[in-house]
Amino acid sequence: AQSVTQLGSHVSVSEGALVLLRCNYSSSVPPYLFWYVQYPNQGLQLLLKYTSAATLVKGINGFEAEFKKSETSFHLTKPSAHMSDAAEYFCAVSLDSNYQLIWGAGTKLIIKP
Amino acid sequence: DAGVIQSPRHEVTEMGQEVTLRCKPISGHDYLFWYRQTMMRGLELLIYFNNNVPIDDSGMPEDRFSAKMPNASFSTLKIQPSEPRDSAVYFCASSSGLAEGLDTQYFGPGTRLTVL
Repeated sequence: AQSVTQLGSHVSVSEGALVLLRCNYSSSVPPYLFWYVQYPNQGLQLLLKYTSAATLVKGINGFEAEFKKSETSFHLTKPSAHMSDAAEYFCAVSLDSNYQLIWGAGTKLIIKP
Repeated sequence: DAGVIQSPRHEVTEMGQEVTLRCKPISGHDYLFWYRQTMMRGLELLIYFNNNVPIDDSGMPEDRFSAKMPNASFSTLKIQPSEPRDSAVYFCASSSGLAEGLDTQYFGPGTRLTVL
């Protein structure tokens, strides 16, 4: 069965510091991987997706994620955090054969001034 | 496009009342999803439709919940009777499916339901 694990329900970084949000997956077949962001009182929005093309995927707002098959990871990074990045981030995985996304529990990113 | 539209944005009701949540997907999208989000359980998929046909409703918690999609531009999620434990944010999302190559979903702003 497929699953997604996000390490840390809350991550706190200072403005300008590196953002690293961790996501590990388990899948019996090569997965499609996603990061979604949810700003306060809003719906989820696609940040980036891995489609088996390039292992380093660039998304919106300066975020990127790297697919590492050997580590079954898809961690999300941003070199310099901005106050506007404060939100909840969800990692998700899906298989090619259906349209159900398997969601991680989410990580709340807190930006300290 | 206006994106996925949900109504109402907030709903407060009393236990035992019927609640109907509404969703208008993005025009041209073939897939529609209903999710529930709570602090305790996170994001849960309740049901999804393809071309107005329910494909998987295994996430619907109990018979009190029902969902319909009478046409490509409208779906409802109904709870009858409602209970306090149904309090959550309910999201509707739509997807063009293979048109975008993958399961990219576009979410509405959600309906925050409070059952007293």
